[in-house]
Parts: sequence; structure tokens; C-alpha cells
Amino acid sequence: AQSVSQHNHHVILSEAASLELGCNYSYGGTVNLFWYVQYPGQHLQLLLKYFSGDPLVKGIKGFEAEFIKSKFSFNLRKPSVQWSDTAEYFCAVNPGGYQKVTFGTGTKLQVIP
Amino acid sequence: GAGVSQSPSNKVTEKGKDVELRCDPISGHTALYWYRQSLGQGLEFLIYFQGNSAPDKSGLPSDRFSAERTGGSVSTLTIQRTQQEDSAVYLCASSLGAAGRTDTQYFGPGTRLTVL
Repeated sequence: AQSVSQHNHHVILSEAASLELGCNYSYGGTVNLFWYVQYPGQHLQLLLKYFSGDPLVKGIKGFEAEFIKSKFSFNLRKPSVQWSDTAEYFCAVNPGGYQKVTFGTGTKLQVIP
Repeated sequence: GAGVSQSPSNKVTEKGKDVELRCDPISGHTALYWYRQSLGQGLEFLIYFQGNSAPDKSGLPSDRFSAERTGGSVSTLTIQRTQQEDSAVYLCASSLGAAGRTDTQYFGPGTRLTVL
């Protein structure tokens, strides 16, 4: 069965610092990849997704993620974080063509003003 | 437009009682998912409905858990003889359900279940 690993459980950064959250998955075939975000008191929402094509994917609010197939990774990045980026971030993966999605355990990001 | 709605938003119950959690997906979405979010556990997949196909129940943790989706729309997750370890936030999500690919999932606000 596929699995998703997010190694950083809790990250604390100062505003303007750069962010990289790790995501690794275990599935050998074609995959679709997602990052979802849950801001305090709000619903989970999509941040960005990768289906095919350019492995560097840009999402909302200046976030991007790079799919590196050889490393089974889909790390999330942002060059300069803001206090409003404080949230919990979830990586998710599913085999191409199938709807079941497996989520990671999440990374809580706290940005200090 | 209206998003995914769930009810109740909070449910406190006594150990051993049955509970029903409801999810109203976005109109026109054929795919519906239930997840459980426990502290430090991320999102645990429970069950997935796609149109009229048989649901994928592979994530249900025990036979005390069941779910239905009536008329391809509203879904009910039922937990029988609740246990304290069932305490969690139960999330519902829906997506368009396009064949052969995975769509963006739209999540509801969740139901926070507390079993005393």
C-alpha cells in the first residue's frame, strides 16, 4: 500500500525566512501529488497539485513544489514566509487514474512576526 | 456557491452509544470521501464513494464503522458502540470524480466527536 511521509512535524520560522517542507511517498507507478493547507479555524484547502508535465508546480500564495521522481519526493517551498502562512500543511498522493488519496501526517508551521 | 457541509459540528457521546455523522457534498460532485483526523495522526482515509460503484471501504478501522450514500448525494457515517479511541474530527470531502484522474477535493468543516 502506498504511504506518505512528512518528516517535519512542527516547524517554527521567523518572517521572511525560506521554507522547505519535505514529502516522500512510496509508490512505484504514475502518481498524482497534492499539498493541502489548513489555516487555523478553516477548512482544508488545496495549495497546489501535480498531475503531469513540468515537475515544478506553482500554487497559491507564492508556494511551489518540485516533483523529483527519482527521489519519490514532492517538497513544498516558499522563498519568504509571512505570519499568515501559519497553518498545517498536508502532502497527499494517489496512483494515477484512481481516486483514493493517501495523506501524510501533516506539518505544523508557525511563523513568528 | 455552497461548499461541503457537515453536521453536527460537535458531538459528545457516551461510550457504547451509536452516532451518525452527516455530509452534504457539493452539488454535482460524484466522488465523496470520509477521513478521520486525530491529534498527531494526520488524515486517515476511511471510505470512498464514486458514483454508483461499490464504495472503497478499505480504510474503515472496524466493523463498528459503516457509511451510506443515498441517491448519490448525502452521506452518513455511522459508528456503533462508540469507544474513546473513536474521538477525533471526522472530515468529509467531495470532488467532481472525473474518470481516470483525481480531482481537487473540497473539504467540509468536520464533525468533532468526543466519546466520554
